[in-house]
Formats: sequence, C-alpha cells, structure tokens
Amino acid sequence: NAGVMQNPRHLVRRRGQEARLRCSPMKGHSHVYWYRQLPEEGLKFMVYLQKENIIDESGMPKERFSAEFPKEGPSILRIQQVVRGDSAAYFCASSPRGVRTDTQYFGPGTRLTVL
Amino acid sequence: GIQVEQSPPDLILQEGANSTLRCNFSDSVNNLQWFHQNPWGQLINLFYIPSGTKQNGRLSATTVATERYSLLYISSSQTTDSGVYFCAVSPYNNNDMRFGAGTRLTVKP
Repeated sequence: NAGVMQNPRHLVRRRGQEARLRCSPMKGHSHVYWYRQLPEEGLKFMVYLQKENIIDESGMPKERFSAEFPKEGPSILRIQQVVRGDSAAYFCASSPRGVRTDTQYFGPGTRLTVL
Repeated sequence: GIQVEQSPPDLILQEGANSTLRCNFSDSVNNLQWFHQNPWGQLINLFYIPSGTKQNGRLSATTVATERYSLLYISSSQTTDSGVYFCAVSPYNNNDMRFGAGTRLTVKP
C-alpha cells in the first residue's frame, strides 16, 4: 500500500506566479488535510477536504489560496500570485475516517521557494 | 484555542542514553499522535495514542488524558533518532490536528 504521495517535492516560483501542489492520499483514504510548516516551526493546519467537499478551511489565508479534492485525481493546493512569505514546506495528510478517530499519515511534503 | 506545549525545546544526548519528552495540552482531545521529523524533513508516525500506553521497540508513549499530558520515552538512543519530535492533538469537535512547537533532539556518537 503506497503511502501519501506529494508532488513536486521541490518547487521554485518567482513572485507573482502560481504554485500548484498535488497530493494523492493513501489507497482507501477519503479524508485529506493540508498543513504548512514555516522554517523552525511546527505544522499549522490549513484545510480539510473529503471527496469534492471542503469540510473546514479555517486555517486557509483568505486570499490567493484555494484547495480542491475532485472526484477523480489528486487533491490540489493552489497559491496564486505567490509572495516570498509563502515560502514554506506544505504537507498533505490523509486518513480513512476523520481525524477525531483515526491516525493521520503524512506525505513527504512540497518545499516551495519563492524568489 | 487549545494550547500544546512540548518540553524540553532542545535536547542533546550521547548515544545510548535514555530520554523523556513531554507534551501538555490545555483541553480535552479526541486524538493524540507523536511524530518524528527526520533531518530530511519527512514526518514519520510514531504513535497514535489518545490514551494509555504503547511500545514499539526502543520507543514507548503514555498519555494520561484526564491530566492532559503525554510522554514519549526513547531508550538507548541512536544517532538516527536525531530530528524534531512533534506532539499533535485533535481537540473535541475539531477537524484538524494542532501541533506543538516540537523537541529538537540531537544524539551524538
């Protein structure tokens, strides 16, 4: 059973460009979570999705950030018009049921660098 | 919101030593997990332990939910144990995990 897959592992963007981060959950997992980790800090929750639905986006910045988890294909975290402060590691996690009752499994992360 | 505090923030050990890492949380939780983030940044699940005690090789963990803390024990530490150890909790009626700031462990040969 493959683990959580994220790509790309490293992404470099110039200010003003768009960044698209992809996450394929573990097989059989329908719950996906995105977290951001700034250097030397812990992970901060961004958004929680189930297939085709955003369940909780209370950690998402109000502008430029969006997430989706379509019926087919990976979950996408999209950052428009990136700024230097968006440079961070972005982790995706999945679980078979919600986090209240289940272990979360994390992907290897995407390290975004904004020049 | 819930506060998650980990101690100590930094820990330096000689290979072979034992250590105890602590996680305090300020409210009731559904879920508590311990993770190891290795020097390459990868997050590795150690324990899913909302209550009770579990052991896995040289690692063990205990959560006392009624007193709102969890302990991670590392015995006979090895250099490969180096990295940051995170405690994460899911508060009741929440959909996410809240992470502590981590304990940075350095094991010297």
